[in-house]
Amino acid sequence: DAGVTQSPTHLIKTRGQQVTLRCSPKSGHDTVSWYQQALGQGPQFIFQYYEEEERQRGNFPDRFSGHQFPNYSSELNVNALLLGDSALYLCASSPPGQSYEQYFGPGTRLTVT
Amino acid sequence: AQRVTQPEKLLSVFKGAPVELKCNYSYSGSPELFWYVQYSRQRLQLLLRHISRESIKGFTADLNKGETSFHLKKPFAQEEDSAMYYCALSPLTGGGNKLTFGTGTQLKVEL
Repeated sequence: DAGVTQSPTHLIKTRGQQVTLRCSPKSGHDTVSWYQQALGQGPQFIFQYYEEEERQRGNFPDRFSGHQFPNYSSELNVNALLLGDSALYLCASSPPGQSYEQYFGPGTRLTVT
Repeated sequence: AQRVTQPEKLLSVFKGAPVELKCNYSYSGSPELFWYVQYSRQRLQLLLRHISRESIKGFTADLNKGETSFHLKKPFAQEEDSAMYYCALSPLTGGGNKLTFGTGTQLKVEL
């Protein structure tokens, strides 16, 4: 099991563009959470998906949206990119009934120019 | 609102010295507290959670509700403990586990 995987590893986009980041959870996990980590900061919770629905959401604008597929994989979409969206985006998955136990992926480094 | 504060950006200790990484939190309900660690070139991973009351790699952390603290301690630092440490909080009830992280403390263990 490769654990949580994320793609792409790095991404460079221009202001105003849209981006989609992908996450495959660890085998057997059904809950996916997304975090944004700016340089020098701790990860900030964006949202969490369970049973293909957004279960919880952090303090992020509607430009940030997500999706979870029947196979539990997930996407994070960001519209109308701003320079301030440049960050490391982390995905974490959790096993059934143990959403406190979060296994993190390596992250996607997004640079907005 | 949930908040986690780690006052030290960098903590440098000598090998064999005691280590204490500070963490304070604010939360109106019952929190669950965690320590996550990120070693160089590795992904973020769970080190310990207060409910399990385990000692992992020699580290322990006690939840002090009076002082709203969850400091991470180890009696004798090892070189392999050098890493970035994040304290995190989650509501104990309410479904889902939104983690609120502190800004992290870089621990450097010198020989």
